[in-house]
Amino acid sequence: EAEVAQSPRYKITEKSQAVAFWCDPISGHATLYWYRQILGQGPELLVQFQDESVVDDSQLPKDRFSAERLKGVDSTLKIQPAELGDSAMYLCASSPSVRGSQETQYFGPGTRLLVL
Amino acid sequence: AQSVAQPEDQVNVAEGNPLTVKCTYSVSGNPYLFWYVQYPNRGLQFLLKYITGDNLVKGSYGFEAEFNKSQTSFHLKKPSALVSDSALYFCAVRDATGRRALTFGSGTRLQVQP
Repeated sequence: EAEVAQSPRYKITEKSQAVAFWCDPISGHATLYWYRQILGQGPELLVQFQDESVVDDSQLPKDRFSAERLKGVDSTLKIQPAELGDSAMYLCASSPSVRGSQETQYFGPGTRLLVL
Repeated sequence: AQSVAQPEDQVNVAEGNPLTVKCTYSVSGNPYLFWYVQYPNRGLQFLLKYITGDNLVKGSYGFEAEFNKSQTSFHLKKPSALVSDSALYFCAVRDATGRRALTFGSGTRLQVQP
């Protein structure tokens, strides 16, 4: 069964350092999402891509966060500089775009970030 | 705007007993509703969804959910709980005519005791 791949699984960094997370969606899935999940809360959308284009980045802190999906396949989420409050689980999800909003989003295992 | 409320932080149930995890939602327009489960240090795993049609939706691992439009609820149920069902459960909603990203509830921890 196809899965969303994410790396690394865990990342420890010091504040003010740069970190990057990678996501490879299920093959053929045109829509890709990055979510942030703070401990004890539900995931919240950071950015949504349709192929290589950003559809929604209204909740992305653009002063320090950036995301790209250059060839419309895999994606990278970057934080520079990292702050203590960025400690969270970063989840990537993908879905096909055939039926739009009806489609199920499939999640990767996540990257657990700890900022010291 | 769309939102989800999961009023119980934790639900405790004995193995073999029926379980219910509650969810209410708010959207403009018709809702698309989803349930996901999360095990420790793992991503979210899809259980079931309601798009249209029959109000009782059946999903993975024996779970089902009942859509109630008048009460704006989408409660998750299982007739007989297993210890392995112990996990964090998230309800999510998406407006059929709006954003395609999901809005999640805060999650309910299900603890099934042997």
